[in-house]
Amino acid sequence: DAKTTQPNSMESNEEEPVHLPCNHSTISGTDYIHWYRQLPSQGPEYVIHGLTSNVNNRMASLAIAEDRKSSTLILHRATLRDAAVYYCILTNTNAGKSTFGDGTTLTVKP
Amino acid sequence: NAGVTQTPKFRILKIGQSMTLQCAQDMNHNYMYWYRQDPGMGLKLIYYSVGAGITDKGEVPNGYNVSRSTTEDFPLRLELAAPSQTSVYFCASSYRDRGHQPQHFGDGTRLSIL
Repeated sequence: DAKTTQPNSMESNEEEPVHLPCNHSTISGTDYIHWYRQLPSQGPEYVIHGLTSNVNNRMASLAIAEDRKSSTLILHRATLRDAAVYYCILTNTNAGKSTFGDGTTLTVKP
Repeated sequence: NAGVTQTPKFRILKIGQSMTLQCAQDMNHNYMYWYRQDPGMGLKLIYYSVGAGITDKGEVPNGYNVSRSTTEDFPLRLELAAPSQTSVYFCASSYRDRGHQPQHFGDGTRLSIL
């Protein structure tokens, strides 16, 4: 399975944008990039996913590098409720499973 | 809309006991997954299923068994509980066709083996 690499932790100030990076240098052409986040004492929740093009939804934006070897989750205005662990995972069209890494712990300061 | 329901929410077991963690989804999803999460760590896949009657091992299947007799249910069985199985267990489901759909997670079962 292709792996992802994320920084262990990041900090942000409230109401500022946050850019969470993810490296996936061994990504294959049939791998989708998914982002989830996990609030304390809760199960992970889906944030956004993409294949090649940048994606936007009500929660965040996903910017995918042209070579697809990296991506960035963008929170446009961080709030205290965005403090969570963010996971970047690859999901293959032809496989039933995905591998979660240890994610990035985002701290948002008031 | 209940989504993914896990029971029980908490459980304490003695070493050597057995138990079944229940997982049910009402979204008609074909894929279901079991993960464990140790403190401060990410999720590790235990088993997954791509449809009723079909299951496969994930990263850490030892000490666990699963079955998938219906689309809705995917129970996880611990036969001989060991302290190393103390963890939070998450069940998830997704719909897979040609595209990709996100996984929907339950609230977890917190299991302690003493």
